[in-house]
Amino acid sequence: AQTVTQSQPEMSVQEAETVTLSCTYDTSESDYYLFWYKQPPSRQMILVIRQEAYKQQNATENRFSVNFQKAAKSFSLKISDSQLGDAAMYFCAYRSRNYGGSQGNLIFGKGTKLSVKP
Amino acid sequence: EPEVTQTPSHQVTQMGQEVILRCVPISNHLYFYWYRQILGQKVEFLVSFYNNEISEKSEIFDDQFSVERPDGSNFTLKIRSTKLEDSAMYFCASSEWASGASYEQYFGPGTRLTVT
Repeated sequence: AQTVTQSQPEMSVQEAETVTLSCTYDTSESDYYLFWYKQPPSRQMILVIRQEAYKQQNATENRFSVNFQKAAKSFSLKISDSQLGDAAMYFCAYRSRNYGGSQGNLIFGKGTKLSVKP
Repeated sequence: EPEVTQTPSHQVTQMGQEVILRCVPISNHLYFYWYRQILGQKVEFLVSFYNNEISEKSEIFDDQFSVERPDGSNFTLKIRSTKLEDSAMYFCASSEWASGASYEQYFGPGTRLTVT
């Protein structure tokens, strides 16, 4: 069974600074997807960024980028130029890539609570 | 922008009572999911639903749980006899389907269930 581990329960960053959130995962599959979801205090989860395991290039979405190390099974999220609105719970998630056509469920880590200091 | 909606936002019920949590997925989506998040814990998968039947379910999703798509828009989660440990935030999600593609799961705002 796949597992996702986020070892940092809480992180703090100064506004405009850069912060990196860690995520490791365990799987025997070679093809899968990885995601970072943001859950603000309003509690609706929003997709931040996604990475396909077969792609070597790290995904980037504006101020958000990932460092995907497939061999190490590591998938960290870097937030550049942190803003007050980035304060939220961040969840790392894994999903199998199922060629059979079914959509797999997401497997989440425990989350990292990010605080942004003005 | 289309979004997943859930009602009610907060439900308080007594132990042993039945509850139905409602979700309206995004209209052109074909896959539907329920997840739950016990306070302070990770988000856990409960069940996925496609083509009017359960596609996958976790070990959490026992005989006390059921899902239904009673009409073309609603997707419901029923808990037949609630227990204290069912207190959690329940999230509905939906996604488009395409074989092998990574379509995003869109989450609703959640229903906070409190069992007393």
